[in-house]
Amino acid sequence: DAGVIQSPRHEVTEMGQEVTLRCKPISGHNSLFWYRQTMMRGLELLIYFNNNVPIDDSGMPEDRFSAKMPNASFSTLKIQPSEPRDSAVYFCASRKRQTNTGELFFGEGSRLTVL
Amino acid sequence: TQLLEQSPQFLSIQEGENLTVYCNSSSVFSSLQWYRQEPGEGPVLLVTVVTGGEVKKLKRLTFQFGDARKDSSLHITAAQPGDTGLYLCAGEADYNQGGKLIFGQGTELSVKP
Repeated sequence: DAGVIQSPRHEVTEMGQEVTLRCKPISGHNSLFWYRQTMMRGLELLIYFNNNVPIDDSGMPEDRFSAKMPNASFSTLKIQPSEPRDSAVYFCASRKRQTNTGELFFGEGSRLTVL
Repeated sequence: TQLLEQSPQFLSIQEGENLTVYCNSSSVFSSLQWYRQEPGEGPVLLVTVVTGGEVKKLKRLTFQFGDARKDSSLHITAAQPGDTGLYLCAGEADYNQGGKLIFGQGTELSVKP
């Protein structure tokens, strides 16, 4: 079975440009999480969805960040405009939310570098 | 705001030594998970603990959930170079409040042969 699929794997862009990261969760999973990982701050939760509905976006740094989940098989994280401090590895993860023991399955991450 | 503090942040030991990693919070969690991450990959689940005081073993790894469900530990016996990696604890708040899962900073473990 395919795991969580993220694209692009690597992106290098210049400050001020728009960045869109994409995620396809595992089929049948009904919860999707976006995390950002840096050496300084570790793995930070940005936003998560249950049944395509955003539940908590308190981790989104500022208005430059937005996330959507138009259907159960696709989500995007957009940064506009991007800044050098946004450079990080962005992970998407999904799980089947049935009990409080659901395993999170992570994608391989999207490494973003903003120059 | 719920926070999970992991210690130590970095650990470098020789093959055969034992080690313990701690995960602490002032908040109560409905469950706690431990993940391991290799370079260039996403974290992968090792174990989930749910009940206060619960102990789970996975070969040479022993996981414990505190009685009050605010802390957890990971103990590795006779560490091997293959145990090298980033270990992350993750706590889930009240399941009925939506299933928010937050991570600790991680412990970077290096086991030298």
